[in-house]
Amino acid sequence: LAKTTQPISMDSYEGQEVNITCSHNNIATNDYITWYQQFPSQGPRFIIQGYKTKVTNEVASLFIPADRKSSTLSLPRVSLSDTAVYYCLVGVPYNTDKLIFGTGTRLQVFP
Amino acid sequence: DVKVTQSSRYLVKRTGEKVFLECVQDMDHENMFWYRQDPGLGLRLIYFSYDVKMKEKGDIPEGYSVSREKKERFSLILESASTNQTSMYLCASSMEPGQQETQYFGPGTRLLVL
Repeated sequence: LAKTTQPISMDSYEGQEVNITCSHNNIATNDYITWYQQFPSQGPRFIIQGYKTKVTNEVASLFIPADRKSSTLSLPRVSLSDTAVYYCLVGVPYNTDKLIFGTGTRLQVFP
Repeated sequence: DVKVTQSSRYLVKRTGEKVFLECVQDMDHENMFWYRQDPGLGLRLIYFSYDVKMKEKGDIPEGYSVSREKKERFSLILESASTNQTSMYLCASSMEPGQQETQYFGPGTRLLVL
């Protein structure tokens, strides 16, 4: 199973860039890397997904080095509303027994 | 927008009761999932279904069963509720296998078993 390791928590201030790194040393060839965001009392929400190199959307960027053993979610210029738990998942989408959410990273943004 | 709805946001039940948690999605998704979320443990997969009347066990199926009679509806059943099943239950759905998959989650049901 492609287990992931993330920091338990991170603090930041409004306007700063936040980078959350996820380690996945035993990632398999067919695995994708997906990040979700979860606010209190809500279900997780998809942020971004990638396979290699860099992916960017309107919300975040995802950096994946060549060996794919880690990935970094980058949130540009965070605001208070970005305070949430961020989960890194690694797996082949249809092999759902490999989709392990883990405990995530709790990001706290201060004014 | 994809919408996943769950029948209740909050539920209080007594030990030994049979509990039904319902989930409905409106995007004709093939896959549906039930998770529970507990502090310090993250999300753990209970059961999932990739087609009508099909089901697969996740990481923690003990004490639970599921039913998928229609494509849009996936029910989680606690046959005899116990206090250690007090948790937040999250339902999700996703498109058919083989594609880059995004799971869409419902708002969750917070279950308290007394």
